[in-house]
Amino acid sequence: KAGVTQTPRYLIKTRGQQVTLSCSPISGHRSVSWYQQTPGQGLQFLFEYFSETQRNKGNFPGRFSGRQFSNSRSEMNVSTLELGDSALYLCASSFFLAGESGELFFGEGSRLTVL
Amino acid sequence: QKEVEQNSGPLSVPEGAIASLNCTYSDRGSQSFFWYRQYSGKSPELIMSIYSNGDKEDGRFTAQLNKASQYVSLLIRDSQPSDSATYLCAVYNNNDMRFGAGTRLTVKP
Repeated sequence: KAGVTQTPRYLIKTRGQQVTLSCSPISGHRSVSWYQQTPGQGLQFLFEYFSETQRNKGNFPGRFSGRQFSNSRSEMNVSTLELGDSALYLCASSFFLAGESGELFFGEGSRLTVL
Repeated sequence: QKEVEQNSGPLSVPEGAIASLNCTYSDRGSQSFFWYRQYSGKSPELIMSIYSNGDKEDGRFTAQLNKASQYVSLLIRDSQPSDSATYLCAVYNNNDMRFGAGTRLTVKP
């Protein structure tokens, strides 16, 4: 079956702009989690959505937001981009909540560069 | 204090040796513990999960959990060059999964 699909794979933005990233989970998976990965900080949890509801949110400013649609596809948005937002954004899906099975299936990521 | 801490490495072991990866976590209420492997330029993939104190073995991999010491470890026996990757410890609590920064392992032929 198809894996987790993230689009776009690469993008370049300038400070102050906003960006929307998309994630299509594995068919049948209801949970989508988002992570930011940087060399210095590793994988940092952004939020998890399950059945269109945000279950939890990490320690990121309100500029980071997300949503999940009825088909489980998810988007995350970052407004007023800052240089420090440059990172690889990973989406992961799972059938149950992330912690119930622990088996997250990750997409290839969206690499965002902010100039 | 970071919630999930790992030695960043790099950890270098010769082929055939045992690689030992360690992880500590801060929240005593943490419920579930996982090890993910991430090859360079690739996404993480789950290799082990452990939920109760003690050891759990799966092939060449053994996960060890000590909740009293808030410590999780991963042992890789008979290490192979293909095991060279970054190993991420993940801890689940309060509806979210938190990852450590990862330990980079290099297995030298």
